[in-house]
Amino acid sequence: AQSVTQPDIHITVSEGASLELRCNYSYGATPYLFWYVQSPGQGLQLLLKYFSGDTLVQGIKGFEAEFKRSQSSFNLRKPSVHWSDAAEYFCAVGAGYGGSQGNLIFGKGTKLSVKP
Amino acid sequence: DAGVIQSPRHEVTEMGQEVTLRCKPISGHNSLFWYRQTMMRGLELLIYFNNNVPIDDSGMPEDRFSAKMPNASFSTLKIQPSEPRDSAVYFCASGSRRGNTDTQYFGPGTRLTVL
Repeated sequence: AQSVTQPDIHITVSEGASLELRCNYSYGATPYLFWYVQSPGQGLQLLLKYFSGDTLVQGIKGFEAEFKRSQSSFNLRKPSVHWSDAAEYFCAVGAGYGGSQGNLIFGKGTKLSVKP
Repeated sequence: DAGVIQSPRHEVTEMGQEVTLRCKPISGHNSLFWYRQTMMRGLELLIYFNNNVPIDDSGMPEDRFSAKMPNASFSTLKIQPSEPRDSAVYFCASGSRRGNTDTQYFGPGTRLTVL
């Protein structure tokens, strides 16, 4: 069965520092992968997605993610974090086939705090 | 462009009352998803529709919950009777299909409090 693991529940980084949020997935075929961000009191906003092609995907707000098939990973990165990036980040994989077509499997989320 | 629209944004009700949450998906999207988010359980998929037809309702917690999608531009999630443990934020998302997966776009959510 498909699954998504975000190993880090909470990460704190200093403003201006680089960021990497980890995501590992379990999926039997080429996955469709997503990163969403949720600010407090808000809905989930799509940051970026990977369907095929270039394994380095650019998203909004200066984020990027790299698909590594050999490691079953889709880590999210940002070279310089801003205080407004403090939020919760969710990785998701397309559930794929049959009755689950269209559905996404979400990780538990990583909460990002930013120190001034 | 208008995104996914949910109403109400906040709902406070008493145990035993009926609650109806509403969702208007993005025009042109064929799929619609209802989620529930709590601190304890995180984000849970309740049900999803494709072309107005329920595809998977295995996440609906019990018979007190029901969802309908009478047309492509409207869906409801009803809880009757409501209980305090139903307190959560309920999200609606609509999706555009590529291959076998929808890119989902979320609404702002309805925060439900059952007293």
